[in-house]
Amino acid sequence: GESVGLHLPTLSVQEGDNSIINCAYSNSASDYFIWYKQESGKGPQFIIDIRSNMDKRQGQRVTVLLNKTVKHLSLQIAATQPGDSAVYFCAETAYNFNKFYFGSGTKLNVKP
Amino acid sequence: EAGVTQSPTHLIKTRGQQATLRCSPISGHTSVYWYQQALGLGLQFLLWYDEGEERNRGNFPPRFSGRQFPNYSSELNVNALELEDSALYLCASSLLFSSSGNTIYFGEGSWLTVV
Repeated sequence: GESVGLHLPTLSVQEGDNSIINCAYSNSASDYFIWYKQESGKGPQFIIDIRSNMDKRQGQRVTVLLNKTVKHLSLQIAATQPGDSAVYFCAETAYNFNKFYFGSGTKLNVKP
Repeated sequence: EAGVTQSPTHLIKTRGQQATLRCSPISGHTSVYWYQQALGLGLQFLLWYDEGEERNRGNFPPRFSGRQFPNYSSELNVNALELEDSALYLCASSLLFSSSGNTIYFGEGSWLTVV
């Protein structure tokens, strides 16, 4: 299919813990992946991206891991904070796709 | 630098009416995308415009249409509104899509409520 799926629709973590949000993608030809964060009532905000020639990329408190063998993408958030509470979407695309495919999203709840 | 801007922020229409939503992309971006997001759900691809032409279309009926202007801004038109059209309509922009790896950036969206 063309959709990008997510393993966990809802994730609850304790403040200060690390969070891992997973995403399974179905198009083996996808070569570019993005994670977005969407807070309630707002538009999705770019977090981090990764190309298929990489298997890991780090940002500020976030790390994206790409496993092309099993078509799996994950977003790791270190020392999760209340402000991290949001819905996280993964997206995939490729040169000949003509559009981005978005997963259904994972809601991250950070408990104080 | 200004991000993607959308207007109006909120819009309330009656069933059967028409709605027009507007989007201004990031300066320098030529591609504009429209997505529909029903409350609590994921993003559904509507339309993609680049250089004034429709490049791709999602699985939506013809009453969803749009256009892109010479300055790359875009508008989305929804005719014969139905109650289930109530959603957040998100616009995004990017550099020319043909180069894989061009991130798309979203606006804050326009909330359309059909009553």
